[in-house]
Order: sequence, then C-alpha cells, then structure tokens
Amino acid sequence: SQTIHQWPATLVQPVGSPLSLECTVEGTSNPNLYWYRQAAGRGLQLLFYSVGIGQISSEVPQNLSASRPQDRQFILSSKKLLLSDSGFYLCAGRDTKISTNEKLFFGSGTQLSVL
Amino acid sequence: GNSVTQMEGPVTLSEEAFLTINCTYTATGYPSLFWYVQYPGEGLQLLLKATKADDKGSNKGFEATYRKETTSFHLEKGSVQVSDSAVYFCALVLDTGRRALTFGSGTRLQVQP
Repeated sequence: SQTIHQWPATLVQPVGSPLSLECTVEGTSNPNLYWYRQAAGRGLQLLFYSVGIGQISSEVPQNLSASRPQDRQFILSSKKLLLSDSGFYLCAGRDTKISTNEKLFFGSGTQLSVL
Repeated sequence: GNSVTQMEGPVTLSEEAFLTINCTYTATGYPSLFWYVQYPGEGLQLLLKATKADDKGSNKGFEATYRKETTSFHLEKGSVQVSDSAVYFCALVLDTGRRALTFGSGTRLQVQP
C-alpha cells in the first residue's frame, strides 16, 4: 500500500528563517503529490500540486515554494518565514495507476509555529 | 469556486451516543464526496466516500448519504465509542483537472467513557 513519510512532526522557527519540509512516497511510482496547509480554525487549503518531476503548480500566491527533484520526493520551502506561515502542513499523494482513483493518501503532517 | 462547510467542534459525546457531523458543499459540477478521519498522532485516512447522488458510503459503523438536493453529506453513527475520538474532515473532488481534494475545516470529536 502507498505511504507517505513526512517530517518533522513539529517545528518551531523564528521569523525570517528558512524552511524545508520534505515528504517521500513509498508503494507507488509517478504519484500526483500535494501540499496542503491548515491555518487555525480553517480547512485544509491546497498550496501546490505536482504531476511529475520538476512539475509544480501553485494554487495560491504566497511566501512558499515547492520542488519535486525526484519522483517520490516533494519538498516545501521558504527563504524567509512569516508569522502567517504558521499552521499544519500536510503532504498527500494520489496513485495515478488507476485513472479513476480519487483517493488520496496522506503523511502525518507537520505543525509549524513561526515565532 | 468549490468549498466545504462543516459544523464547528469540538463535539463531545458520551459513549454509545448518536453522532451527526454536518457537512454541506458548493461545487461547479458533480463532485465525489469523502469523509476522512485523523486519529491522534496519525495521518489522515479515508473513512468513506460516495461518488454520485443518493449513494451511501459506510465504514466502521459510520454512514453518510450524498444528498444533491440539499448539497449535503452528513456523517452519522448510531453508537460512538471512545476509540472514535478523532478529527473528521469532509471533502470533495471534481473528476477533472488536478483532482485535488477540497476540505472542510475539520470537526474534533471527543467521546467520553
């Protein structure tokens, strides 16, 4: 079965510091990958999605960027964190081997606090 | 655009009580609907889904019916257990484009013994 390893589980960073969150996928190849964020009291908001190596689409303008250097690796980055970047970040994937598959599989998330 | 609205939590129930978590949606087109659950310390897991109007998804005693006329997908369980304590997310996906899920804000359920 497909799994996503995401780390760290919690992170506290000062304003202006860089960020790198990584997730890796096991159990499938060429997945669609997604980064979501949940700010306090709000739903999970789609930030980026990727359909392949080096292919990144941004859903909302923001202080963050994403990269996919390998098929099963998806990285969320920032050069300088803002207070508003605090939230719960979730990496997700979709197995594309089944064209009608709508089910996502998820990492366990990273709780980021920017102070 | 597409959106999902869930009832705010936390919802606190005694064991064996009846559970309803309301979910309504707006979507351009005909979405598939999902309930995901996140148990403490774990990742999100698919609980149940329905892909067309009047479908009923069910799993682990939970049920939800896709109601197109009311654009709703309410989650129900007849008798909750302490082990059901978790955060529940309602979500939708359209069968086109990036096929990314649109989530509600989540509802925390606390079941007391």
